[in-house]
Amino acid sequence: ILNVEQSPQSLHVQEGDSTNFTCSFPSSNFYALHWYRWETAKSPEALFVMTLNGDEKKKGRISATLNTKEGYSYLYIKGSQPEDSATYLCASISGSARQLTFGSGTQLTVLP
Amino acid sequence: GAVVSQHPSRVICKSGTSVKIECRSLDFQATTMFWYRQFPKKSLMLMATSNEGSKATYEQGVEKDKFLINHASLTLSTLTVTSAHPEDSSFYICSARDSYQPQHFGDGTRLSIL
Repeated sequence: ILNVEQSPQSLHVQEGDSTNFTCSFPSSNFYALHWYRWETAKSPEALFVMTLNGDEKKKGRISATLNTKEGYSYLYIKGSQPEDSATYLCASISGSARQLTFGSGTQLTVLP
Repeated sequence: GAVVSQHPSRVICKSGTSVKIECRSLDFQATTMFWYRQFPKKSLMLMATSNEGSKATYEQGVEKDKFLINHASLTLSTLTVTSAHPEDSSFYICSARDSYQPQHFGDGTRLSIL
């Protein structure tokens, strides 16, 4: 994988459903992975910084896991609420230059 | 509250005008600031990285003479879109950080060139 890829591109779920989406990134020269939450008309907000293989971070109903060997991270939302509707971006930092590359995002819509 | 302030939030101007966008870190010293552009239906595309007191590093395909970046102090970076044309219309957003921690983003600037 040369780029940071996120899937699915968009997702609609019902309120109360749990959901998850994927970020794939180059595993070579990996330094860190960031997850951001970006609501319409607001600036992106950092959710998690993940660095170690096997890392699992949690913030309320949102959690994330990291596999640096195979180059993927999952973001989970338990019991989705309408206020969770946003675009979720992941960004990989890699290389000696610590280059940061964003994925294209997953647009989540939680229907009441 | 906001830790990065970006101004203006919206600009509408005629073709050929130069537009300056400011990005300020409010309560920390930003050793590095980033400028991004969002193309329709796409994610944030990094335009350039600027370190205080040195020249900005531009990503491939970004014209440095077109998009002038100045990072004169640890709290201020500016992006000037010179002689803007309709194809420069876009959403520009800056971010700042003081280490390899997550970036703090400004609220973005919607630039519309008529």
